[in-house]
Amino acid sequence: GESVGLHLPTLSVQEGDNSIINCAYSNSASDYFIWYKQESGKGPQFIIDIRSNMDKRQGQRVTVLLNKTVKHLSLQIAATQPGDSAVYFCAENSYNTDKLIFGTGTRLQVFP
Amino acid sequence: SAVISQKPSRDICQRGTSLTIQCQVDSQVTMMFWYRQQPGQSLTLIATANQGSEATYESGFVIDKFPISRPNLTFSTLTVSNMSPEDSSIYLCSVLLSRRTDTQYFGPGTRLTVL
Repeated sequence: GESVGLHLPTLSVQEGDNSIINCAYSNSASDYFIWYKQESGKGPQFIIDIRSNMDKRQGQRVTVLLNKTVKHLSLQIAATQPGDSAVYFCAENSYNTDKLIFGTGTRLQVFP
Repeated sequence: SAVISQKPSRDICQRGTSLTIQCQVDSQVTMMFWYRQQPGQSLTLIATANQGSEATYESGFVIDKFPISRPNLTFSTLTVSNMSPEDSSIYLCSVLLSRRTDTQYFGPGTRLTVL
């Protein structure tokens, strides 16, 4: 089977509940942040992004919050569904570089 | 976004051999990157594939071990040379569509197992 997420922190939530996945980023100069979802056997899929001049951004069922003071990023998923089960990665990027630095990842398990 | 394909999707190889992974994009892109994802781990950038010139490697990765080509704006290859079991990983290419956006999109990955 797929080994992505095998050793990562796991968040278990019940279907229909809200999920909050947290990420601490490392570089205070980072000004762009992305959340990716990686399902078993697939590459990371873009979910939502946010720039450092914002502290909140909403998408469809997802919200990203950015706290630059403590270098913290969170992804909120409303009404979590079984299809949300995956590994979630945050990534940071600086204005003067195209390189993404990925966080360690969190495995989200949704149970009925 | 862009449609990104990788070949092969997976392979099992013997130690000491080399494998070349292809990444094809359905449109011209500004930048292409290669990442490694070791079992149960996050993604680590190997190098930036530069069109028409040598790739730019990250600390810990060298051209002799991971030669990269990018002959045009839609295609790149990564070779994993003289493989050992420690090279068993998922190898992913990603693309940056333009400099006006910072979002990178990823291919499906190549799952490599070295025996």
